[in-house]
Amino acid sequence: DAGITQSPRHKVTETGTPVTLRCHQTENHRYMYWYRQDPGHGLRLIHYSYGVKDTDKGEVSDGYSVSRSKTEDFLLTLESATSSQTSVYFCAITPGQSSYEQYFGPGTRLTVT
Amino acid sequence: QKEVEQDPGPLSVPEGAIVSLNCTYSNSAFQYFMWYRQYSRKGPELLMYTYSSGNKEDGRFTAQVDKSSKYISLFIRDSQPSDSATYLCAMRGDSWGKFQFGAGTQVVVTP
Repeated sequence: DAGITQSPRHKVTETGTPVTLRCHQTENHRYMYWYRQDPGHGLRLIHYSYGVKDTDKGEVSDGYSVSRSKTEDFLLTLESATSSQTSVYFCAITPGQSSYEQYFGPGTRLTVT
Repeated sequence: QKEVEQDPGPLSVPEGAIVSLNCTYSNSAFQYFMWYRQYSRKGPELLMYTYSSGNKEDGRFTAQVDKSSKYISLFIRDSQPSDSATYLCAMRGDSWGKFQFGAGTQVVVTP
């Protein structure tokens, strides 16, 4: 399972509150990603990271920020949660720069009421 | 228009039948083509990958890529109820960066 954990696994929050999701990996991989998965849209990239403090935006980054202060942790923050951010969030890692492989965490199911 | 198009299904087949899945894409820079399997309430897991055009076989699974038509396929032979899942195609170019996913096709194999 590539040593990826996500926390929390489930969360219900109210509109307007900040939320932080955590992705933790144990194998010192450099490349990490945050995706959201919604019916009819598949997996859409929110942000990704290519090293400590090195991050970049994906296709659906509005309303989200990330931080990576340690190799093993990649945090996703919803600054002010909205109902449109109700989704399943997946963290993923890629073992190397040229790798075609992505390994996913178990996901976090977030509901914004 | 999405860069990667995939029929969401559901695709229902009887046990033992061949399952045929496909994706079309628009970006000619894609070089790596992957298929992921995702069981309900789980993360996607890499099933197969192909680099550039051609076929690749792994047990009951065959992946095909036709870059001239911008079309990829996954075939599952002798399908089993345990193959019931959502199958996602994914692609990326040669340089490191983003992976592009299809929306996923739900497959149901009935005993």
